[in-house]
Amino acid sequence: AQKITQTQPGMFVQEKEAVTLDCTYDTSDPSYGLFWYKQPSSGEMIFLIYQGSYDQQNATEGRYSLNFQKARKSANLVISASQLGDSAMYFCAWPRGQLIWGAGTKLIIKP
Amino acid sequence: DADVTQTPRNRITKTGKRIMLECSQTKGHDRMYWYRQDPGLGLQLIYYSFDVKDINKGEISDGYSVSRQAQAKFSLSLESAIPNQTALYFCATSDLNGNGYTFGSGTRLTVV
Repeated sequence: AQKITQTQPGMFVQEKEAVTLDCTYDTSDPSYGLFWYKQPSSGEMIFLIYQGSYDQQNATEGRYSLNFQKARKSANLVISASQLGDSAMYFCAWPRGQLIWGAGTKLIIKP
Repeated sequence: DADVTQTPRNRITKTGKRIMLECSQTKGHDRMYWYRQDPGLGLQLIYYSFDVKDINKGEISDGYSVSRQAQAKFSLSLESAIPNQTALYFCATSDLNGNGYTFGSGTRLTVV
């Protein structure tokens, strides 16, 4: 079965440090991309970043970047200079008509 | 106004009651989805619709039904609510290619 795996249930990171959140995918389908979403305690789902599999360069959106490594089948989210407001659940998701979701990583930024 | 609007934002209902969650969108997207999120977990697909005449079951459709009243409206019904349907429910939309995913703010449903 094709699936998305997030191996880090929770992470504690010191404020201002960089964070890497892992996401691996298990698919033989080359026509894929990956989404990352942030879900704060208020519950809404906030789109962070997307990269298509054929994109030549890793996507970047402000402090967020996506480290896509096809050989490892991973699409990790990197948050630079973490802030207290980054504390939230983070989900990666794979678009296959509907989205297939990872289980999420709970990120807590320590002051 | 939000691109994808869900109503109500919060709802407490009793076991056995019928309840409807509404979703409307101004994105002009053809595809609409209903997801459920249990505490501490990822999202699970309940139903999805690729256009007004196309409704498909997701991975956890039992106990739910949907209606696509128009391109912009997709409602989710719980015919007879039960406590384990207590969850956060999200409506989402995307274009024909599955791009431009947009989520509503979610509906917190509690069944007592």
